[in-house]
Amino acid sequence: DTGVSQDPRHKITKRGQNVTFRCDPISEHNRLYWYRQTLGQGPEFLTYFQNEAQLEKSRLLSDRFSAERPKGSFSTLEIQRTEQGDSAMYLCASSLPRTAEQYFGPGTRLTVT
Amino acid sequence: DAKTTQPTSMDCAEGRAANLPCNHSTISGNEYVYWYRQIHSQGPQYIIHGLKNNETNEMASLIITEDRKSSTLILPHATLRDTAVYYCIACKDYKLSFGAGTTVTVRA
Repeated sequence: DTGVSQDPRHKITKRGQNVTFRCDPISEHNRLYWYRQTLGQGPEFLTYFQNEAQLEKSRLLSDRFSAERPKGSFSTLEIQRTEQGDSAMYLCASSLPRTAEQYFGPGTRLTVT
Repeated sequence: DAKTTQPTSMDCAEGRAANLPCNHSTISGNEYVYWYRQIHSQGPQYIIHGLKNNETNEMASLIITEDRKSSTLILPHATLRDTAVYYCIACKDYKLSFGAGTTVTVRA
């Protein structure tokens, strides 16, 4: 299967720790997106990349959140000094340019204790 | 992007067509209507999109009214595996704004 993959699928961490999630997009897709989804809500857009360029990051929830896509292939999302309110599903998606036909990964479920 | 309004929930019978409505009365001329669904504990799945013409693919049909203020997603023969939250989104580029969607339950 050559869909979007995310690692890990589940992460439990203590408050104050840093966490990093990885996303591997579909290989020919040059756009990559990160979303956050809390229980009972639809996914919330965080940031996106076109190749290695991060073209929008204004929706990142605070300066504790950062994302990279250093070689235009996989991406990482880091949350520093985690808080209990960061507990959520973090979703990655990828697409070709100039379309919102996005393909989502299975998500990483973060639990902050 | 334009706001969309969908019913909170709906039930449909297995084997019958499911018609999911969406209102987007403030949609602009260059915004497409996208439909996604999310089955429990999975990432959202793209279904279909359109601008002003009706569209059909292997999953569903999308009917957009002539004034583009509303649309209907049709699942022609609903199965139990179609039980999911369905999202209607008006979008012109990349930034999908998911609302609460419609929770569709297909019953045997």
